[in-house]
Amino acid sequence: DIQLTQSPSSLSASVGDRVTISCRASQIITTYLNWYQQTPGKAPKLLIYAASNLQRGVPSRFSGSGSGTDFTLTINSLQPEDFATYYCQQSYNNIRTFGQGTAVEIK
Amino acid sequence: EVQLVESGGGLVQPGGSLRLSCAASAFTFRDYDMVWVRQATGKGLEWVSTIGTAGDTYYPDSVKGRFTISRDDAKNSFYLQMNSLRAGDTAVYYCAREQYTSSWTPAGYLDLWGRGILVTVSS
Repeated sequence: DIQLTQSPSSLSASVGDRVTISCRASQIITTYLNWYQQTPGKAPKLLIYAASNLQRGVPSRFSGSGSGTDFTLTINSLQPEDFATYYCQQSYNNIRTFGQGTAVEIK
Repeated sequence: EVQLVESGGGLVQPGGSLRLSCAASAFTFRDYDMVWVRQATGKGLEWVSTIGTAGDTYYPDSVKGRFTISRDDAKNSFYLQMNSLRAGDTAVYYCAREQYTSSWTPAGYLDLWGRGILVTVSS
């Protein structure tokens, strides 16, 4: 199975900060990488698909980049509603996997 | 409204069985692959199963042989039959829709999620 390792596992940031979260795959997955946001008690929400495509309705301060094995989610000018846990997920093969998550907390 | 709604969760004893349902509305259900994802309390997301439009099914090793996914396109619903349940299967179970990019090599992503339903395996 393809393993996804996110870093860091958690981070503290302030409103207005630029935040980057990394996701590394255990093998090449080209751009078959998605990003989700989850707030407590809620279902995950799709942010970015196929590594760099912004899902409709998601603010433009979110962006994704990368290909191969290394990927990055960037949040420009962090807003109060962005404090959440973020997950990457690969769809390179039929055995899907998620990263372990990155919790973005208020500093 | 485009939505997915789970049902069938609850408390079950170890070794028991439970069947989850997910009802879809306001989209052409038969055109989509459908997915179950679970999350134990305080833990991350774990993909549980996918069923394709042709009925092809996929599972991780953690549930293979114990869980069975199925669908009924006439009822706009899909299901997760869970047998030989263990304490480690305790989680909130989400159903989700898989969308694909319109490219030469389509990439899948989960664009619509249900609210989730709790399954507790305990004596």
